[in-house]
Amino acid sequence: NAGVTQTPKFQVLKTGQSMTLQCAQDMNHNSMYWYRQDPGMGLRLIYYSASEGTTDKGEVPNGYNVSRLNKREFSLRLESAAPSQTSVYFCASSAGETGTSGNTIYFGEGSWLTVV
Amino acid sequence: AQSVTQLGSHVSVSEGALVLLRCNYSSSVPPYLFWYVQYPNQGLQLLLKYTTGATLVKGINGFEAEFKKSETSFHLTKPSAHMSDAAEYFCAAAGYSSASKIIFGSGTRLSIRP
Repeated sequence: NAGVTQTPKFQVLKTGQSMTLQCAQDMNHNSMYWYRQDPGMGLRLIYYSASEGTTDKGEVPNGYNVSRLNKREFSLRLESAAPSQTSVYFCASSAGETGTSGNTIYFGEGSWLTVV
Repeated sequence: AQSVTQLGSHVSVSEGALVLLRCNYSSSVPPYLFWYVQYPNQGLQLLLKYTTGATLVKGINGFEAEFKKSETSFHLTKPSAHMSDAAEYFCAAAGYSSASKIIFGSGTRLSIRP
């Protein structure tokens, strides 16, 4: 019962480098999300995909891009990493949109990213 | 803007004592309320949620929360704390407006004293 799997778990980047965080879910969920977690700020939504083929900006999208590759996979790309993007990133998924049906969001284990 | 406020970024209780973690949401009543728990170096997992019906919601590990519309609150309680309850707890609300957006509080770190 893998649930939501994200890779890599840890990554150190130099300023200006690019990287992609991968995420896959095996629960046949329609909606997928990328959050970042910073001390004292809770979880902030970066991008989400309500269903396959759609993506939308969340609260803090600047500096990021996403791709909903198929129903299972939702990747997050940092094109030119900055120290302000040092954070813990969580991928998540839900059966439907939480706003309209209260679906539970299931989270991955997190990816610790440090930009130096 | 809608918001979820958790009072107290850090709460410390003795083992066996009552746990009370406070959560208030902004005044437009959201249909859906959640508590999530995050153990160190792990993702968040659902503790309990309120959607409709009974306002007292029971969750895993002996936790429960009560939806009080008049107080715009959804406080989390557990009668007797256990060392394994040490974690960060997040309150969240959904259903305010646009789909797919759940709003999280900033979290409360719960410590348990032996």
